[in-house]
Amino acid sequence: GESVGLHLPTLSVQEGDNSIINCAYSNSASDYFIWYKQESGKGPQFIIDIRSNMDKRQGQRVTVLLNKTVKHLSLQIAATQPGDSAVYFCAETGGTSYGKLTFGQGTILTVHP
Amino acid sequence: DSGVTQTPKHLITATGQRVTLRCSPRSGDLSVYWYQQSLDQGLQFLIQYYNGEERAKGNILERFSAQQFPDLHSELNLSSLELGDSALYFCASSGGPGLMNTQYFGPGTRLTVL
Repeated sequence: GESVGLHLPTLSVQEGDNSIINCAYSNSASDYFIWYKQESGKGPQFIIDIRSNMDKRQGQRVTVLLNKTVKHLSLQIAATQPGDSAVYFCAETGGTSYGKLTFGQGTILTVHP
Repeated sequence: DSGVTQTPKHLITATGQRVTLRCSPRSGDLSVYWYQQSLDQGLQFLIQYYNGEERAKGNILERFSAQQFPDLHSELNLSSLELGDSALYFCASSGGPGLMNTQYFGPGTRLTVL
């Protein structure tokens, strides 16, 4: 079946650097995308979302970019901090999926002080 | 804190047993979703309820069932447990039934089947 996948399973950065986490999706009917952060022992925490009628959305220190042509999604974290260390998941829904979120594998982000 | 609560936090049981996981959605949210997170399968959608009615179903096993009560809390029942059912089970809630309602996740229940 169709799924969301991540290119890089791990990402290691220095504190203060900008981080970019990538995600590829294959369901052309997807029209809503979300990034979640999951810290050890906790549930996924909503970071930012984007609808398919947009190609960029900014939050506090985070930006999500959507390229529907190549079915690619990215999360940019500015001035990465040690507290940003976590697993990051992209998720998508759309078409006949209704409320169902399809999650990618996740990327482990490690921020070194 | 997402506002979604789940109990218990940890559950250890034996194969063949039955357990019930409980979820209380955020205040005002009508939709509840259940997900399973395991090392080999990642986060997988199980089932969605909206205002007491089943709305969408994922790859939920026949041994698993769920319901949403009039007060909107939900329970996930897992029966005839197998070792492979050991996983984290998350509940999420959103305000509406549709595609573009942000889902907020609870802290999860860690199930260990021995």
